[in-house]
Amino acid sequence: AQKITQTQPGMFVQEKEAVTLDCTYDTSDQSYGLFWYKQPSSGEMIFLIYQGSYDEQNATEGRYSLNFQKARKSANLVISASQLGDSAMYFCAMRDSLSGTYKYIFGTGTRLKVLA
Amino acid sequence: DTGVSQNPRHKITKRGQNVTFRCDPISEHNRLYWYRQTLGQGPEFLTYFQNEAQLEKSRLLSDRFSAERPKGSFSTLEIQRTEQGDSAMYLCASSTPREYNEQFFGPGTRLTVL
Repeated sequence: AQKITQTQPGMFVQEKEAVTLDCTYDTSDQSYGLFWYKQPSSGEMIFLIYQGSYDEQNATEGRYSLNFQKARKSANLVISASQLGDSAMYFCAMRDSLSGTYKYIFGTGTRLKVLA
Repeated sequence: DTGVSQNPRHKITKRGQNVTFRCDPISEHNRLYWYRQTLGQGPEFLTYFQNEAQLEKSRLLSDRFSAERPKGSFSTLEIQRTEQGDSAMYLCASSTPREYNEQFFGPGTRLTVL
């Protein structure tokens, strides 16, 4: 079965510092995709970054980077130079390639609080 | 605004009543998903449409739930005889046919069943 595990229910980071949010995954598929989404208190899920299983380089999008370690089955999100607006829930998700629907399997999320 | 929209944003209902939610995906997206998110959890998949065809339903989708996507455009999710356990955020997402494209989510409908 495919599964996403986020072991950090909550994290604090000082403004302008970097923070790493952990994500491990389990799948028997050789081709898969991993996503990170941000969910502010308003509720909308905002796409941050994507990593494909065959991508040789770690994905980067502005202040977001994904530390992809395939052998360890981890896909940690790194946020550099944290801002107060980064305070939100963060979800790691895996695209289910087995069913053909490409639905997402989400982790339980990490609540990040950026301190001034 | 060309994003995914959902209506209503909030719905409070009494147990036993029927409710219907609407999702308008991004116009060129043929894939549409419904997810349910309870407090403190990540979203869980409910059902998937490719154009107007409903191709997958989760076991979470009991027979009180029904979803449609007539003409492959907007979608509706109806819950009959609501129960307190149905209280959750219902999220709609859409994406293009390409496998590697991300899903775009709407703002969600928060349902409270009293």
